[in-house]
Amino acid sequence: GESVGLHLPTLSVQEGDNSIINCAYSNSASDYFIWYKQESGKGPQFIIDIRSNMDKRQGQRVTVLLNKTVKHLSLQIAATQPGDSAVYFCAENIGQGPGGTSYGKLTFGQGTILTVHP
Amino acid sequence: GAGVSQTPSNKVTEKGKYVELRCDPISGHTALYWYRQSLGQGPEFLIYFQGTGAADDSGLPNDRFFAVRPEGSVSTLKIQRTERGDSAVYLCASSSQQGGEQYFGPGTRLTVT
Repeated sequence: GESVGLHLPTLSVQEGDNSIINCAYSNSASDYFIWYKQESGKGPQFIIDIRSNMDKRQGQRVTVLLNKTVKHLSLQIAATQPGDSAVYFCAENIGQGPGGTSYGKLTFGQGTILTVHP
Repeated sequence: GAGVSQTPSNKVTEKGKYVELRCDPISGHTALYWYRQSLGQGPEFLIYFQGTGAADDSGLPNDRFFAVRPEGSVSTLKIQRTERGDSAVYLCASSSQQGGEQYFGPGTRLTVT
């Protein structure tokens, strides 16, 4: 769905389907990207990360794809389950610490509401 | 082991009052971050500590906001003369090293009436 004002994009899927959540990031200098899952009343929970020298990374049931040319990040969830229902945020790491290392000042995207129907 | 904890979980205060929000990071984590999350938005960075020192406080919105971490473990976010616009969930995260994976606490929901 489209985001308007404070309304988050939404994605509704059936249990067992694959889900794809997209994110456009803003800073071409970002070197580290993370996907977080946030359930109601809880803090964000780390799902998977990827560094800018990679274009794909796989975890358990999840895959992150990075397209630096168009500054686009996607999260693919295989065999989506009702427990996957949550708000999903992408985050990019901007900012350099001493010695050029990234220190983790994260900039979060708007978020996407994923609803999985049994 | 225990994750990041934050107290109180909810805080209601009147406009103009002073509040303190506490964060207990995961034991041994040297990096600590504060974020603020408004309804329907992603978290916004406020401040980052490496050890006892604030390495980056560029996200603090104004001088009413201040944070400390005197012993390099527990951190307190302090807000003076609260305004209704300060109402949000304040999140704390910690990581074992600079730039490492951040573990978030459940947040403190602040409501300014």
